[in-house]
Amino acid sequence: GQNIDQPTEMTATEGAIVQINCTYQTSGFNGLFWYQQHAGEAPTFLSYNVLDGLEEKGRFSSFLSRSKGYSYLLLKELQMKDSASYLCAVTGSNYQLIWGAGTKLIIKP
Amino acid sequence: IAGITQAPTSQILAAGRRMTLRCTQDMRHNAMYWYRQDLGLGLRLIHYSNTAGTTGKGEVPDGYSVSRANTDDFPLTLASAVPSQTSVYFCASSVSGTNTGELFFGEGSRLTVL
Repeated sequence: GQNIDQPTEMTATEGAIVQINCTYQTSGFNGLFWYQQHAGEAPTFLSYNVLDGLEEKGRFSSFLSRSKGYSYLLLKELQMKDSASYLCAVTGSNYQLIWGAGTKLIIKP
Repeated sequence: IAGITQAPTSQILAAGRRMTLRCTQDMRHNAMYWYRQDLGLGLRLIHYSNTAGTTGKGEVPDGYSVSRANTDDFPLTLASAVPSQTSVYFCASSVSGTNTGELFFGEGSRLTVL
């Protein structure tokens, strides 16, 4: 079957770096997304990886290894506003989007 | 700049009642989607539409129906609500239906069925 795994919850300290992992098993691959969702709000797009490697966008970076079925989202210089859930999603071979359950990130001062 | 507008924001509904959640986008996107989000579960696709005049079933379509009469509007109807349909519903849109581009989400509709 198709599956996406990511940790349920993580805690990090303001100013630090945190890495949120996502592993996936899908029939085919056409890209991997990361979205951010603050409590009570809609998800918002962070990144899209379709080729192996690291994509950097300001304080956020996303990495993909297609051979390992693995991605991570790296958040640097953590701020309190980064407290949110981070959703990993993969587009499979039939272009269906499969979502992970999300990782709740708690930032402590 | 509106993007995607959903209504109502929140609703409490008696079981057995009919309910329509409205969704309108002003970005001229071809594809639109309805998701439900429940605690501990990922977003689950209910129905989708890749272009005006066409619709398709997602992962959890039972008990729901949609229509796409034009590009901008994509209402979701619960014909006879049941408590298991208590959830947060998100409407989303994208330029195309290939799921290789960014999804834009509405603010969500929180539905409670008693």
